[in-house]
Amino acid sequence: GDSVTQMEGPVTLSEEAFLTINCTYTATGYPSLFWYVQYPGEGLQLLLKATKADDKGSNKGFEATYRKETTSFHLEKGSVQVSDSAVYFCEPLSSGSARQLTFGSGTQLTVLP
Amino acid sequence: NAGVTQTPKFQVLKTGQSMTLQCAQDMNHNSMYWYRQDPGMGLRLIYYSASEGTTDKGEVPNGYNVSRLNKREFSLRLESAAPSQTSVYFCASRTGYYGYTFGSGTRLTVV
Repeated sequence: GDSVTQMEGPVTLSEEAFLTINCTYTATGYPSLFWYVQYPGEGLQLLLKATKADDKGSNKGFEATYRKETTSFHLEKGSVQVSDSAVYFCEPLSSGSARQLTFGSGTQLTVLP
Repeated sequence: NAGVTQTPKFQVLKTGQSMTLQCAQDMNHNSMYWYRQDPGMGLRLIYYSASEGTTDKGEVPNGYNVSRLNKREFSLRLESAAPSQTSVYFCASRTGYYGYTFGSGTRLTVV
């Protein structure tokens, strides 16, 4: 069945540091891939997505590239801000009857000024 | 504003009491979901409804029931609340292979 492995947190960075949060998955076929962000006290919000191999999703300075060969979708940002402090979740969404509803465990990011 | 609306936002129950969490979406999404989120446990799926008229169990359905009232509304019922059901509950919806839209959550405490 589908599964996702997400980088364990918490991650603490200084402002303007480079961010990588790893996400690898197993899924039937070629899933669509999503990153969500959850700010304190709020629900999850869609951050970015990619639907096929080599697609790059981007939003708010964050990027992630769909790597079929390594079944990965790592989240990156070149220069984090204090306002990026949140929990980040990866989700693979596969098709058909084998589709399962799977989130990563979430990675807590804290950015210090 | 378009999105997913959950009520109530906060609730305190005594053990054994019942309650229904309400969820409505106005995006014409086919599928709706209930998740719970506990510290250090990520999101766990309780029940989902792939389309109007269908419901299915998720990872942690025990102690809960759901009703897909129509395409817009999907409620979650706790028949006899237990302290282990203290959590933050999120309703979400999606259609096709688009991302989820989440509600803002219901913070439930069972004492």
